[in-house]
Amino acid sequence: EPEVTQTPSHQVTQMGQEVILRCVPISNHLYFYWYRQILGQKVEFLVSFYNNEISEKSEIFDDQFSVERPDGSNFTLKIRSTKLEDSAMYFCASSETSGQYSPLHFGNGTRLTVT
Amino acid sequence: TQLLEQSPQFLSIQEGENLTVYCNSSSVFSSLQWYRQEPGEGPVLLVTVVTGGEVKKLKRLTFQFGDARKDSSLHITAAQPGDTGLYLCAATSYNQGGKLIFGQGTELSVKP
Repeated sequence: EPEVTQTPSHQVTQMGQEVILRCVPISNHLYFYWYRQILGQKVEFLVSFYNNEISEKSEIFDDQFSVERPDGSNFTLKIRSTKLEDSAMYFCASSETSGQYSPLHFGNGTRLTVT
Repeated sequence: TQLLEQSPQFLSIQEGENLTVYCNSSSVFSSLQWYRQEPGEGPVLLVTVVTGGEVKKLKRLTFQFGDARKDSSLHITAAQPGDTGLYLCAATSYNQGGKLIFGQGTELSVKP
């Protein structure tokens, strides 16, 4: 079964550094998402992306965050200047459509640790 | 702010017992999903319920969407150790299909 793949599985970075988290969505999916889960807290929506632009973003997704689909297969999340509170699991997801009948398929996440 | 409250947060039972997990909100949702998440992995979709009052069965798991589309329940019959894991409910609002609002999860442990 096709799956969403994320790399790296674990990223350690120093505060203030830039990180890029990478995702390869399922090939025929058109909608892409980033979610994050801080340890012990709920999974939170960050951003949705369709047709090479952001469809919606949450309050968390401020100017230090950006997303890009640099080619036909990758979908990236960049955090420009990491803060300690950015430490979390970051999940990429994709879906065929944006409708309620189109389930999200999640990757296994990237654990980001900011020291 | 739309919130989903799951209960209980932790549940430890013996193999063969039945259990129910609840997901409640004051908001009306267009659909509600149940996911299961294993350590080190992303959430995996179990079921989507869309219609108020809808009931779906997946082997020993029964999912129900409340009539008012504000709440849902997951019932497991004769739990097995393989059911151990984190169960998450997540909901979507109208016209926001991909933006899921998650509950905090229920950590289920089934002891042999």
